[in-house]
Amino acid sequence: AQRVTQPEKLLSVFKGAPVELKCNYSYSGSPELFWYVQYSRQRLQLLLRHISRESIKGFTADLNKGETSFHLKKPFAQEEDSAMYYCALSPYSGNTPLVFGKGTRLSVIA
Amino acid sequence: NAGVTQTPKFRILKIGQSMTLQCTQDMNHNYMYWYRQDPGMGLKLIYYSVGAGITDKGEVPNGYNVSRSTTEDFPLRLELAAPSQTSVYFCASSYGDFRGLSYTFGSGTRLTVV
Repeated sequence: AQRVTQPEKLLSVFKGAPVELKCNYSYSGSPELFWYVQYSRQRLQLLLRHISRESIKGFTADLNKGETSFHLKKPFAQEEDSAMYYCALSPYSGNTPLVFGKGTRLSVIA
Repeated sequence: NAGVTQTPKFRILKIGQSMTLQCTQDMNHNYMYWYRQDPGMGLKLIYYSVGAGITDKGEVPNGYNVSRSTTEDFPLRLELAAPSQTSVYFCASSYGDFRGLSYTFGSGTRLTVV
């Protein structure tokens, strides 16, 4: 069975400081990992997926299969980054729905 | 393009009452999902559907029922509301397989059972 662990419920950083939101997963096969974000009063939306290897809004995430991690990073936090962030996993085969972590609330302090 | 539309946005139910949470999408997505979001617990899958006429249980299906008579609609039914069902409910859809390019989420229904 798949499992996604986000160890931090709340992460507070100052504007301009680096951000790292942790995500660890448990899955025996080949996973596909995602980060979803929910801004205040907005819908949950995809931020990025590991297979795309892209940077969105300055965020990047690298899949580390050895450490079974998919941490989300940004070198300089902005106030508009304050939101709820969810890490999610699906088997690469795409044969079961996404499993989400419990989420981390990021608060960027001015 | 409306995407995924959920109604109602808010509802207060008394214990034992029943209601249907509506979800419709206009993107011709074949996969649809119902998740519930509890504070500190993340999103948990209630039910999902891979196409009209096909539904399956997720992680927390007890107390809920679904149907998928058309590609567009995926209503969630609560038969006997309980306080434990107080939550925010999200409907989502995707195209192709369970990963999709991404899931498209509705704006949510905040349900309180008193």
